[in-house]
Parts: sequence; C-alpha cells; structure tokens
Amino acid sequence: NAGVTQTPKFQVLKTGQSMTLQCAQDMNHEYMSWYRQDPGMGLRLIHYSVGAGITDQGEVPNGYNVSRSTTEDFPLRLLSAAPSQTSVYFCASSYFKHGNTIYFGEGSWLTVV
Amino acid sequence: SQQGEEDPQALSIQEGENATMNCSYKTSINNLQWYRQNSGRGLVHLILIRSNEREKHSGRLRVTLDTSKKSSSLLITASRAADTASYFCATELANAGGTSYGKLTFGQGTILTVHP
Repeated sequence: NAGVTQTPKFQVLKTGQSMTLQCAQDMNHEYMSWYRQDPGMGLRLIHYSVGAGITDQGEVPNGYNVSRSTTEDFPLRLLSAAPSQTSVYFCASSYFKHGNTIYFGEGSWLTVV
Repeated sequence: SQQGEEDPQALSIQEGENATMNCSYKTSINNLQWYRQNSGRGLVHLILIRSNEREKHSGRLRVTLDTSKKSSSLLITASRAADTASYFCATELANAGGTSYGKLTFGQGTILTVHP
C-alpha cells in the first residue's frame, strides 16, 4: 500500500497564482483532512471530509477550497496565493471512528513569493 | 489559541538516557495522541490514549494521561540517536454530537536531540 500520497513535494508560486495540492489514499478511509504547519505553530486544520461529497471547514479555512468527489482523493485548492500561505501542508486520512490511527502524507512545501 | 501545549520546547540528552515530554490541554477530550516528525518528513503516529485510560505502553514508549490535570506525558526510555525528532501531542476534543471526530489540535512540539 502507498498510504497517503501528496503531490507536489515542493512548489513555488507567485502572489495571485492558483494551484492545487493533490492528496490520494489507497486505504479506503472515509475521513481525510488537510493541515498546515508553520514554524512554532504546530499543525492547524484547514478543511476535512468525512466521506465523498461531504466537506467542512477546520480552524484556518480562508483562502482554501476543497472537494471530495471520490473516497480516494481530496485536493486542496489555493485560488489566489498569498505570501501568508507559505507553509508546509499535510494531508491525513483514517477510518471514520473515534480513536483510529490517523495517517499523514509526507508533506508539500509551498512558498509564495 | 493552542489546545495542546508542550514542555519543554527542546530537550537534549545523551544516548541511553530517558526523555520525558509533557503536554497540557484546555478542554475535555476523546483521546490524546503522540506523533513523531523527523526533519523534513511527515508525522508518524506513535500512540493513542483514550480519555478513560491512564497509562499505555508501546515498546520503549510510555504515555500517561491525567484528565483531572488535563495533562499527558510521553516517556522514551533508553533513548537512541535515531529517536532525534520533533514530538507532538494532539488532542481530539470531546463532542457529544460526534462532530469532533478527527479534528486534531496539535501542540507546538518538543524538539528532542539524542547525542551518541
């Protein structure tokens, strides 16, 4: 199993550009989420999904869109990138049950200049 | 504000010594989880302790949870240079409606350095 796969690993964007961070999992997990990690801030939840067709906002959703058309994929879209979105982004997934292990991808390093 | 706060922010020890990291949180939880992150890599789940549990072990890891003090500790015994990493606690908040599922709130992490 590949687990949780994120692409790209590194990306540099200019302010105002748009892009999509891809996330795919092959474990048939219902739950998927996106976090961002900033220096000294820990991880913060951006958006999450409890199943195909269902998404909701986390702690820091502004500037990001998500959709969940399939169980496997959960892309994160930046419509108009801002320097404040420079961060490391992590996708995570798990079965939809309290206490289940949450699996994280390897991260996507995004720099907005 | 951060739900989980970790102490110390950085810890430097010699191989063979024990490492203890602490995590405090503010509101009721379903469970508390510890993760490890090597530099430039993703997070790896280490151990989960539920709110009705007080202690769990996994290999050289020992986690305690004191819900009355809203705190947890992670003990790594007989540390190795390969244990060098950042360690994060994450809490899943309690919510009667179940909508808190999977919404982990992370602390800022403890950077552990184990010298050979």
